[in-house]
Amino acid sequence: GENVEQHPSTLSVQEGDSAVIKCTYSDSASNYFPWYKQELGKRPQLIIDIRSNVGEKKDQRIAVTLNKTAKHFSLHITETQPEDSAVYFCAASKGGGFKTIFGAGTRLFVKA
Amino acid sequence: KAGVTQTPRYLIKTRGQQVTLSCSPISGHRSVSWYQQTPGQGLQFLFEYFSETQRNKGNFPGRFSGRQFSNSRSEMNVSTLELGDSALYLCASSPTAEPGTGEQFFGPGTRLTVL
Repeated sequence: GENVEQHPSTLSVQEGDSAVIKCTYSDSASNYFPWYKQELGKRPQLIIDIRSNVGEKKDQRIAVTLNKTAKHFSLHITETQPEDSAVYFCAASKGGGFKTIFGAGTRLFVKA
Repeated sequence: KAGVTQTPRYLIKTRGQQVTLSCSPISGHRSVSWYQQTPGQGLQFLFEYFSETQRNKGNFPGRFSGRQFSNSRSEMNVSTLELGDSALYLCASSPTAEPGTGEQFFGPGTRLTVL
């Protein structure tokens, strides 16, 4: 069945360092890959997304890369700040409506 | 515009009971999805409705059901509650019919505790 694996489950970095979170999806028909940030006690919020016809997308300190052949996609956060501390979820979906399959999440700690 | 709202925010039920959760999407949004969030399993897709029709369903037992009304508001129902149903139930709405063409906006969730 459809599955998204996410690694690592926990990531601790020093402020200013980069953080990388990796995901693998199983359904080759997946064509849309959003990333969500969920701060403690709050709702998930979309931070960046990528479609399958694009290999890389960047938005300020955040970038996402996609390797369709390997069915891998990754989130890169540069110059991390304490406010980046949160749980990050990768997800995958395909056409036919919003059946979004989420990874298990990565808890990112940015130490000041 | 007001965001996605969910009621109630907190619920305590006992095993065997049933519960109905409500979601009001952002005005104009016709797609509503439901997710179960638990510490161990992350966000699990339950079902998605668009224009009163269930388009997609996740791998949950038949005790979980939902519906969408003509004003796009949605409800989900869980019958014969089990301890394992304790979770945060999130709904999300989108202004578009397909992923990638419009963002999903999440509500604050309903925290269900089953005793």
